[in-house]
Amino acid sequence: NAGVTQTPKFQVLKTGQSMTLQCAQDMNHNSMYWYRQDPGMGLRLIYYSASEGTTDKGEVPNGYNVSRLNKREFSLRLESAAPSQTSVYFCASSREASGYYEQYFGPGTRLTVT
Amino acid sequence: QKEVEQNSGPLSVPEGAIASLNCTYSDRVSQSFFWYRQYSGKSPELIMSIYSNGDKEDGRFTAQLNKASQYVSLLIRDSQPSDSATYLCAVEGGSYIPTFGRGTSLIVHP
Repeated sequence: NAGVTQTPKFQVLKTGQSMTLQCAQDMNHNSMYWYRQDPGMGLRLIYYSASEGTTDKGEVPNGYNVSRLNKREFSLRLESAAPSQTSVYFCASSREASGYYEQYFGPGTRLTVT
Repeated sequence: QKEVEQNSGPLSVPEGAIASLNCTYSDRVSQSFFWYRQYSGKSPELIMSIYSNGDKEDGRFTAQLNKASQYVSLLIRDSQPSDSATYLCAVEGGSYIPTFGRGTSLIVHP
């Protein structure tokens, strides 16, 4: 099992450019998440998807859109990148175990917006 | 607003000592508690889950939960330099969306 995979690993964008971060999991998990992590700010939830076909906003959704393409894939799109979106982005999926949810993270995408 | 508080550290311990990491949370209905380890430049890795009061041991790691006092801790016995990392506490209240603390940096020096 590859677990949670993310592409690309690194990306540099100019202000105003758009891009899509890809995430896929092969663990048959229902729930998937996108986080950003900034120094001193911890992990902040951008969007999540409880199941295929549903998405919901998290703590910091402005400037982002998501698509739950199927059970395996959950993509994050930046329509018009801004320097404030420079961050490390993590995708995660969660496994339900007796009503509890354990999250597993992908390796991350380091995004720099100039 | 659900809050999870951790001392940012760094917590510095000598090799072979016990490292004690603490976390407090604000939401009394929280049900699930997790510890993640994050090496510099890497993603968080789940190392312990605990759901009921008391201790849970896994190798050199022990998670302790006290719901009445709203704290959860992680003990690392026989600390090794390879344990040097940031440890994230996460708390979840049945909504499948955990709240993360900002992490405690642990340094184990030889």
